[in-house]
Amino acid sequence: QKEVEQNSGPLSVPEGAIASLNCTYSDRGSQSFFWYRQYSGKSPELIMSIYSNGDKEDGRFTAQLNKASQYVSLLIRDSQPSDSATYLCAVKVYGQNFVFGPGTRLSVLP
Amino acid sequence: ETGVTQSPTHLIKTRGQQVTLRCSSQSGHNTVSWYQQALGQGPQFIFQYYREEENGRGNFPPRFSGLQFPNYSSELNVNALELDDSALYLCASSLGGSGDEQFFGPGTRLTVL
Repeated sequence: QKEVEQNSGPLSVPEGAIASLNCTYSDRGSQSFFWYRQYSGKSPELIMSIYSNGDKEDGRFTAQLNKASQYVSLLIRDSQPSDSATYLCAVKVYGQNFVFGPGTRLSVLP
Repeated sequence: ETGVTQSPTHLIKTRGQQVTLRCSSQSGHNTVSWYQQALGQGPQFIFQYYREEENGRGNFPPRFSGLQFPNYSSELNVNALELDDSALYLCASSLGGSGDEQFFGPGTRLTVL
């Protein structure tokens, strides 16, 4: 059974700090990796996708992928209170469907 | 560009009833996936429709069924509702059968009493 694991949190960081969110997955055939942000009571919002080993940066967000170790991470630099949300990791094998992790709750303290 | 829309926003049903949830995909997207998200959990894949055909199904019983229409909008039908069906139902649209980069609608909150 394909699994995606995340620490449920909450992960608390002070405003301005770097938040580091981690995700591991079980299926070595996974090819596409996504991070979604979900505010309480709202639907998930896609913030990053990554397909190749290494880092991908988009503004304050950096996604890191290591297929050999089967982990993907999301770094949020200069964290803001508005970044407080649940961050969902999603993994996809080509031709198959998305598997989501349980999410990590991030709290950025002013 | 029109985003993903879902209706209704909220719904209250009783055990044993049937429910239909609706989703309109983002403009230009031909693939719709449905997810169930229980409180405090990640979304669980129900099924996906691509060009009006079911294109994958998760571990949900047959009382969960769906349709996709020629305009790529979609319906999720749930028969014989159970208390555990109470959840946020999410629709996500994407382009192409492989369905990378899915974009979610606002969801329908279903409560079964």
